[in-house]
Amino acid sequence: DQQVKQNSPSLSVQEGRISILNCDYTNSMFDYFLWYKKYPAEGPTFLISISSIKDKNEDGRFTVFLNKSAKHLSLHIVPSQPGDSAVYFCAASENNNDMRFGAGTRLTVKP
Amino acid sequence: DAGITQSPRHKVTETGTPVTLRCHQTENHRYMYWYRQDPGHGLRLIHYSYGVKDTDKGEVSDGYSVSRSKTEDFLLTLESATSSQTSVYFCAISDPKEEQYFGPGTRLTVT
Repeated sequence: DQQVKQNSPSLSVQEGRISILNCDYTNSMFDYFLWYKKYPAEGPTFLISISSIKDKNEDGRFTVFLNKSAKHLSLHIVPSQPGDSAVYFCAASENNNDMRFGAGTRLTVKP
Repeated sequence: DAGITQSPRHKVTETGTPVTLRCHQTENHRYMYWYRQDPGHGLRLIHYSYGVKDTDKGEVSDGYSVSRSKTEDFLLTLESATSSQTSVYFCAISDPKEEQYFGPGTRLTVT
């Protein structure tokens, strides 16, 4: 029973354009959401987070949007760079315990 | 770099043998976690620890045990390895209600 779903296994965008990665969740008790980035043969790296009391959080080129009524969050990367090519994992938790991860989306940014 | 290491980084073992993976941190974080990553599943929590000698089960704990006798070390043991436990194992650390930082991973193959 996957409580966090990333329905797009891959995404390809042109350098300089916007990348939008999507994530859906089923557990309405989740109150903390994160995005992690993973390069091959490395551990995931924390990218950005958002708590359920907000609907947007921005950090440089990265913005996370949360739509609680739709149980949906998205990560926007603007502008996309070739170095952003990686697998992106969405994660969610209730009270920061027992974090659940999506299956990941592989982003490829083409020069 | 969050000061977290895993050993070994790679291991090949036979079905039925015991295996212990080690996670070591130098950051003095209270929480430590073990995850496994498999294609199509993202990262799934096996066990976690919220203090020395305090551990709890995660989503996929069957066949695994853990121990934490010191703040800096968290051990994951497969008492009798099975082929279904072939995976990449990640350790993570965090403080309460903070994002998790991941180690580099251990690739385990059970033949």
